Amino acid sequence: EVQLLQSGGGLVEPGGSLRLSCVASGFIFSNYPMTWVRQAPGKGLEWVSAIDPSGGGTYYADSAKGRFTISRDNSKSTFYLQLSSLRAEDTAIYYCAKLTITNGWINDYWGQGTLVTVSS
Amino acid sequence: EIVLTQSPGTVSLSPGERATLSCRASQSLSRTYLAWYQQRPGQAPRLLISGASSRATGIPDRFSGSGSGTDFTLTISRLQPEDVAVYYCQQYDRAPRTFGQGTKVEIK
Repeated sequence: EVQLLQSGGGLVEPGGSLRLSCVASGFIFSNYPMTWVRQAPGKGLEWVSAIDPSGGGTYYADSAKGRFTISRDNSKSTFYLQLSSLRAEDTAIYYCAKLTITNGWINDYWGQGTLVTVSS
Repeated sequence: EIVLTQSPGTVSLSPGERATLSCRASQSLSRTYLAWYQQRPGQAPRLLISGASSRATGIPDRFSGSGSGTDFTLTISRLQPEDVAVYYCQQYDRAPRTFGQGTKVEIK
């Protein structure tokens, strides 16, 4: 059974940093690209970032470029999202998700989400 | 960036009725790289449909998807109480991947 267990959310002041983690199980982690999607309170879904299976290819939404860094450790079946220079508008539930590798990259399994609140 | 516009914003129907949800893309998708997700209250999203019409594993056959180009549809043929949720479309044809704003399905 595919499982994605998230951790690392919390309250942070504007300008601060936070690292989100997502531990995967139930599949061969090193074979799959992974992604982060966020959802501001009461709002829709917004793609944030993705990383290819080796970690050599990373992709970011414009809102994340230069401030967020995605990475992965295939030996630990874990990937991360480092959040820096946080702003109030980054307040959201952050979901990690596994991507399929056939016929395009689709979010086929999701983590439970972790809340990041940026406030002084 | 491809903008996805979903309609209606909210649909309210009785159990057993048919729900038709629309997703319109601002540019034609060169491949049918359109997915639908269901997000029940307080839960993470769940993949329903990929490739515009292929149901994901374990999804009941009352859910069906169709469409190509710029116009896509998710149909719930016989609405059940557990279908109360917000439904999102997403295109993965071109970067950045974008989501529609969602359609809320309610039971009368």
